[in-house]
Amino acid sequence: ELKVEQNPLFLSMQEGKNYTIYCNYSTTSDRLYWYRQDPGKSLESLFVLLSNGAVKQEGRLMASLDTKARLSTLHITAAVHDLSATYFCSWRANFNKFYFGSGTKLNVKP
Amino acid sequence: NAGVMQNPRHLVRRRGQEARLRCSPMKGHSHVYWYRQLPEEGLKFMVYLQKENIIDESGMPKERFSAEFPKEGPSILRIQQVVRGDSAAYFCASSPPNLGEQYFGPGTRLTVT
Repeated sequence: ELKVEQNPLFLSMQEGKNYTIYCNYSTTSDRLYWYRQDPGKSLESLFVLLSNGAVKQEGRLMASLDTKARLSTLHITAAVHDLSATYFCSWRANFNKFYFGSGTKLNVKP
Repeated sequence: NAGVMQNPRHLVRRRGQEARLRCSPMKGHSHVYWYRQLPEEGLKFMVYLQKENIIDESGMPKERFSAEFPKEGPSILRIQQVVRGDSAAYFCASSPPNLGEQYFGPGTRLTVT
């Protein structure tokens, strides 16, 4: 079965702390995506990871991809309240079908 | 270049009525995807279309749901005889011919009363 597993599903953390969200996917993919969704809003693209070992950083967020382990991580450095949102990973399977994880709901406490 | 447009943004229907959701992809994009999101859940793939073709509808319920992407005009997701369980946010995404990144519309929030 083709699927994406994200963990944790819920994450409550203090400002200034670091944490990592994990995304495992079930079969070979050439693209892995990370999105952010604020309550009641659409999905905002954060990162597109295209190859094994790819690492991308934007502000306090850094995403990486290990295609051999079928694992992507989203690392949060020195969290701030503005990062509170739900984060989704997604991967593109064959025939251009996209699968999404269940999302990680992040709450950063001031 | 305008982004992906969806309308209406909010739609209220009574049980048994029909709901029509529209999606205009970004200029130059020929691929459209529809997803459903229930409260506090992730996105579930419904259907993938190119102009005048349904490529993959494996995520569509077998009854009451249909989708089209005509040669001219927006893509339409149609839900006939809506039930309360159809209440959800429906997102459309489009991607360019090289099938790169998806770009999401703002969503249509359907409420069935």
